[in-house]
Amino acid sequence: KAGVTQTPRYLIKTRGQQVTLSCSPISGHRSVSWYQQTPGQGLQFLFEYFSETQRNKGNFPGRFSGRQFSNSRSEMNVSTLELGDSALYLCASSLRGGRLNIQYFGAGTRLSVL
Amino acid sequence: AQSVTQLDSQVPVFEEAPVELRCNYSSSVSVYLFWYVQYPNQGLQLLLKYLSGSTLVKGINGFEAEFNKSQTSFHLRKPSVHISDTAEYFCAVIPTGNTGTASKLTFGTGTRLQVTL
Repeated sequence: KAGVTQTPRYLIKTRGQQVTLSCSPISGHRSVSWYQQTPGQGLQFLFEYFSETQRNKGNFPGRFSGRQFSNSRSEMNVSTLELGDSALYLCASSLRGGRLNIQYFGAGTRLSVL
Repeated sequence: AQSVTQLDSQVPVFEEAPVELRCNYSSSVSVYLFWYVQYPNQGLQLLLKYLSGSTLVKGINGFEAEFNKSQTSFHLRKPSVHISDTAEYFCAVIPTGNTGTASKLTFGTGTRLQVTL
């Protein structure tokens, strides 16, 4: 069974641009969560989607948004990029979300903002 | 709210030596606990988890962890490490009850395990 797939693996953007990251969950998984990982802040929860609905959101500005499609694939978008948005963005999928459903992580997308 | 503390940012150890990576948490509600490992340029891989039952849990790659509710700790141990265990290790928690927080994991800041010959 294929794991969580994130594309692209690496991205370089400049300040002010916008970016879209993609995540394909494990087949059969319906919940997708996104995390931002930086050296200073560590791993921080961005949001979670289940059945195309955002179920939970972390403390990030409105420039960070996401969506989920009917096939459970998810995208996250960051508009008006800032230097501080440089990070590894990780996607995790689970069967139904919730505490008892283990999250499986992708390899991440490394975003560099210049 | 929950918080996770990994006091050791780096742990150097020689190959075949034992290792313990410390994790303490703070929470006003019961939590489930996890250890994840991140190898260079890769995502997170689940090592082990504590949901209920025996407080000593065994995971992959020979790792084990013990849940201590009174000390709010979940330390990770391995009796003999290998060079390939060099990685970043993250402790994480999630509330057990229905608090509406869905799948939101709270992570510690990570411990870098460096195994040398």
